[in-house]
Amino acid sequence: QKEVEQDPGPLSVPEGAIVSLNCTYSNSAFQYFMWYRQYSRKGPELLMYTYSSGNKEDGRFTAQVDKSSKYISLFIRDSQPSDSATYLCAMSAYSGAGSYQLTFGKGTKLSVIP
Amino acid sequence: DVKVTQSSRYLVKRTGEKVFLECVQDMDHENMFWYRQDPGLGLRLIYFSYDVKMKEKGDIPEGYSVSREKKERFSLILESASTNQTSMYLCASSLATFTDTQYFGPGTRLTVL
Repeated sequence: QKEVEQDPGPLSVPEGAIVSLNCTYSNSAFQYFMWYRQYSRKGPELLMYTYSSGNKEDGRFTAQVDKSSKYISLFIRDSQPSDSATYLCAMSAYSGAGSYQLTFGKGTKLSVIP
Repeated sequence: DVKVTQSSRYLVKRTGEKVFLECVQDMDHENMFWYRQDPGLGLRLIYFSYDVKMKEKGDIPEGYSVSREKKERFSLILESASTNQTSMYLCASSLATFTDTQYFGPGTRLTVL
């Protein structure tokens, strides 16, 4: 089983829809959870950053972490065509000797249709 | 404003050539990273550096080397380019190694013929 699983999509939704993007993971040591957004022909940029379980909201975006189920989600409310991008989850865990490992999901490609 | 720049957006090289990809950050970050991104495989870490002249192998270091002579600059070197190194290469930097925001450059699309 891969450490981080993310459905690659593509996912197409109409403008204004609520979008749910998800990742599951197997390493219970993951502590830091991130969502990156990557527009076509650009590098990824951090969208949301959470530590431990719970919800974090930023405008139309909500990141949710359920450590008991090893499941993280990103919700986008009132989706806009400008949200069309690939969304990558990422998570990090302490791997010993003062170092951490960071693992990215493969990304979900989202298209919001006007 | 945070900035990571990469020397080329697009590069075409021939098999066997030595290739240099340059990355510069202006945030005084200790940590810099090189990834490659391929469809269906996602982002894979090649090398990272946590200080000047220091480097650590990532998940797929074979066929690559790196150089960090100055804090702001991190170079990825393909000693003898091969067709299976055709990919999008992304550089990133961060304050903390793997627990902090990574700031990515725009990427270099390398094609090896």
